[in-house]
Amino acid sequence: DAKTTQPTSMDCAEGRAANLPCNHSTISGNEYVYWYRQIHSQGPQYIIHGLKNNETNEMASLIITEDRKSSTLILPHATLRDTAVYYCIVSPPYGGSQGNLIFGKGTKLSVKP
Amino acid sequence: GAGVSQTPSNKVTEKGKYVELRCDPISGHTALYWYRQSLGQGPEFLIYFQGTGAADDSGLPNDRFFAVRPEGSVSTLKIQRTERGDSAVYLCASSGGPQDTQYFGPGTRLTVL
Repeated sequence: DAKTTQPTSMDCAEGRAANLPCNHSTISGNEYVYWYRQIHSQGPQYIIHGLKNNETNEMASLIITEDRKSSTLILPHATLRDTAVYYCIVSPPYGGSQGNLIFGKGTKLSVKP
Repeated sequence: GAGVSQTPSNKVTEKGKYVELRCDPISGHTALYWYRQSLGQGPEFLIYFQGTGAADDSGLPNDRFFAVRPEGSVSTLKIQRTERGDSAVYLCASSGGPQDTQYFGPGTRLTVL
């Protein structure tokens, strides 16, 4: 079972920041937080990951609370193309020895004009 | 560069038939993963290859499912005696190694009538 809890859906106005929350209260010390997204009819796309420090790349920022029990993915200027299901995944580095990712149901983000 | 490709994109078959789904990973990627995604759900892990060998096949639902990767590159997922419950999108991902980012293909939509 997925070790994360995410809202089922969220709306965001185009051009505004989208803040997607994720709870992972049972996260272990060696587990990372990963974010993927899946645009309709496509395979999941890697966005970002982090352990305990905040991370930023060209797609998004990841803010992890100090106790590591929750995190927020931030899309700074959402566009219509960011409409997708966003998955928050907690795992040892890329699944550790097993290598697999455990997906939940994710958050359906709808960016509206 | 070329991403992960999967063929066919769609497959319709009848109950009881045998099907093969193909995955071409990113060139040079040693790790390959198969996932299955049912409607409204996140992807579920099936099997993971490191090179030619299956490092973890714990996600295969039963012995009707089998996968091979004979030369450590292309992989084929084989399903015998298909059932209507096998209908799903089958996703393939590859990575440079088990600790690296997984890149997903577009998936094969399998429909069993």
